[in-house]
Amino acid sequence: EDKVVQSPLSLVVHEGDTVTLNCSYEVTNFRSLLWYKQEKKAPTFLFMLTSSGIEKKSGRLSSILDKKELFSILNITATQTGDSAVYLCAVSGFGNEKLTFGTGTRLTIIP
Amino acid sequence: SAVISQKPSRDICQRGTSLTIQCQVDSQVTMMFWYRQQPGQSLTLIATANQGSEATYESGFVIDKFPISRPNLTFSTLTVSNMSPEDSSIYLCSAAPQGPDTEAFFGQGTRLTVV
Repeated sequence: EDKVVQSPLSLVVHEGDTVTLNCSYEVTNFRSLLWYKQEKKAPTFLFMLTSSGIEKKSGRLSSILDKKELFSILNITATQTGDSAVYLCAVSGFGNEKLTFGTGTRLTIIP
Repeated sequence: SAVISQKPSRDICQRGTSLTIQCQVDSQVTMMFWYRQQPGQSLTLIATANQGSEATYESGFVIDKFPISRPNLTFSTLTVSNMSPEDSSIYLCSAAPQGPDTEAFFGQGTRLTVV
């Protein structure tokens, strides 16, 4: 059975700090790993990673995948209060489009 | 990015009744997915809705409780039947409109409260 473990479960930092969120996984026939941001109800897509060592970047957010060690990190630099949210990591395998989600990391940015 | 319209946005229902949630995608997709997110928990897949065949349910979820329709390639419904307070959750539909090797998008979610 596919499994995703995220750490830490929650994180409180001050505005301007840099944070690193972790995601480790076990999946049969790995296809992709995805990061989402959930502020209210609907998760919004951040990154999809399929290859090891290639950093994906969008503004202050970046993410990288290590397929040998089966983990990914999501970095957020110069955090802002608008970054406060639950960050979800999910994986999918070939032959199965469904996503398996981790429990999420609740990030709180203090002004 | 794709647009997935989900409704209702929220509802408060009496126990023992049923609620049908609708999800419309702005392009044709092979598979649509229904998730449940209980308070303080992550997303759990209920079932995969395939057009032209019966939905595939995950362990712990049954068709009698969560019947799903998929009449065409852009639309699906999930019914939560004979509700109890334990069914109070956020329900989300999802699809990957560009194909299995692309990102999945989510509807706006339905916050269901059963009293």
